[in-house]
Amino acid sequence: QKEVEQNSGPLSVPEGAIASLNCTYSDRVSQSFFWYRQYSGKSPELIMSIYSNGDKEDGRFTAQLNKASQYVSLLIRDSQPSDSATYLCAVNPYESGGYNKLIFGAGTRLAVHP
Amino acid sequence: GAVVSQHPSWVICKSGTSVKIECRSLDFQATTMFWYRQFPKQSLMLMATSNEGSKATYEQGVEKDKFLINHASLTLSTLTVTSAHPEDSSFYICSASWGNYGYTFGSGTRLTVV
Repeated sequence: QKEVEQNSGPLSVPEGAIASLNCTYSDRVSQSFFWYRQYSGKSPELIMSIYSNGDKEDGRFTAQLNKASQYVSLLIRDSQPSDSATYLCAVNPYESGGYNKLIFGAGTRLAVHP
Repeated sequence: GAVVSQHPSWVICKSGTSVKIECRSLDFQATTMFWYRQFPKQSLMLMATSNEGSKATYEQGVEKDKFLINHASLTLSTLTVTSAHPEDSSFYICSASWGNYGYTFGSGTRLTVV
């Protein structure tokens, strides 16, 4: 079973701080990686996708990928109370003949306090 | 773009009845659709993967006779929960795949079986 591991949290940060969310995955040949945000009772919404080693920045969000270490992270700068949600890491494992399914981690709950 | 509409958003049914959930891609043709289930405070668990015109591929432990998936067109997939029981109460979410790396989620269906 291919696995995606996340710390369940909660991760509590003060407003304006940097929140750092981490994820490791077991399938070394995974091709693409995603971070989703999920508010309670809602479906996930895509925050970032990353496919190559290194950093990818989009506004206050930066995704970092290290395939050698099988590690992907999400940094949220200038955290706001509205960022309080569960953040899901998802990996598209390489499977010959597969259908591009995503494997989700359990999610990290982020709480940004004023 | 890449909008997925899921209906109904919530449904209450009696034990032993069947419930159908629809997932439509509104502005694109979905190569593949995925059905997830999420219990409270848990992550998304993939139930099955469906491709238009072919049988769905179910994940291990998911009863294919209980969770019927029909993907009759490139824009519509349905999940029917047959003979529902209280333990089937959950949040069901569909996702549509476009191209190699695009995934869009529906808004989810909260099923309560009484």
